[in-house]
Amino acid sequence: DTGVSQNPRHKITKRGQNVTFRCDPISEHNRLYWYRQTLGQGPEFLTYFQNEAQLEKSRLLSDRFSAERPKGSFSTLEIQRTEQGDSAMYLCASSLHGQSYEQYFGPGTRLTVT
Amino acid sequence: RKEVEQDPGPFNVPEGATVAFNCTYSNSASQSFFWYRQDCRKEPKLLMSVYSSGNEDGRFTAQLNRASQYISLLIRDSKLSDSATYLCVVTQTGANNLFFGTGTRLTVIP
Repeated sequence: DTGVSQNPRHKITKRGQNVTFRCDPISEHNRLYWYRQTLGQGPEFLTYFQNEAQLEKSRLLSDRFSAERPKGSFSTLEIQRTEQGDSAMYLCASSLHGQSYEQYFGPGTRLTVT
Repeated sequence: RKEVEQDPGPFNVPEGATVAFNCTYSNSASQSFFWYRQDCRKEPKLLMSVYSSGNEDGRFTAQLNRASQYISLLIRDSKLSDSATYLCVVTQTGANNLFFGTGTRLTVIP
C-alpha cells in the first residue's frame, strides 16, 4: 500500500493521559498536514510540515498538542493531559511541494477520551 | 463566521435524479476551490477542482462564481454509489492548508 498510513486506527484513553499518533505519508511527498474532524463537521487544520520544518500551526493547536517530523518522513502528533473535548478523528494528509492543494489523506486515528 | 458554509442536508434522492449542492466562502482572497468526497468512516478524497469557467467530469459538473463567492456541484443520473458526504474546500493565498465546509450528506435511494 503506497498511500498515507496512520497508527493506531483507534485509541481509547482516560482523561489526563497522554497519547501519541503516527502518520506515514506517501514516500515522495515532502508536505505533511494534520487535521482534526469531529462528528458532523469538516476537517479542521492543525499544523503542517515541509520536510522536517513545522511551518504553520493553527490556533486550535493548544499547548497540550505537539507535532514532530524529525527526519522529514513520518510524523507524530502527541496530546498531553487529554480532555474529553479532544475526542475526534485525527487525519493526516500529504502532498507534493507545488501541488499542496491536492492532499492525500490517511484513514485517520479515532480518539475517544473517557 | 466560518470560512466555508454548506447546507449539511441530508439530501435523499432516487436513483437517476439530478442533485445540486452549493456552498459559499467568506474570504474574497480565496484562491483555489475543490470538492472532496468522504464516505462514512473513511478519509476525504479529492473529487474535482473547480474553475471559474466551470468544469465537468462525467456526471459531475462544478461551477465557481467569484463575484458571489459561491461554488456548486451538480450530479446527474445519481447512482447508489454516489451516496457520501460532499465537502466544499477552499484555499487562501499564503496559506497551505485546506479550509473545509461541514459537508453535505447525500443518500441515493434505490
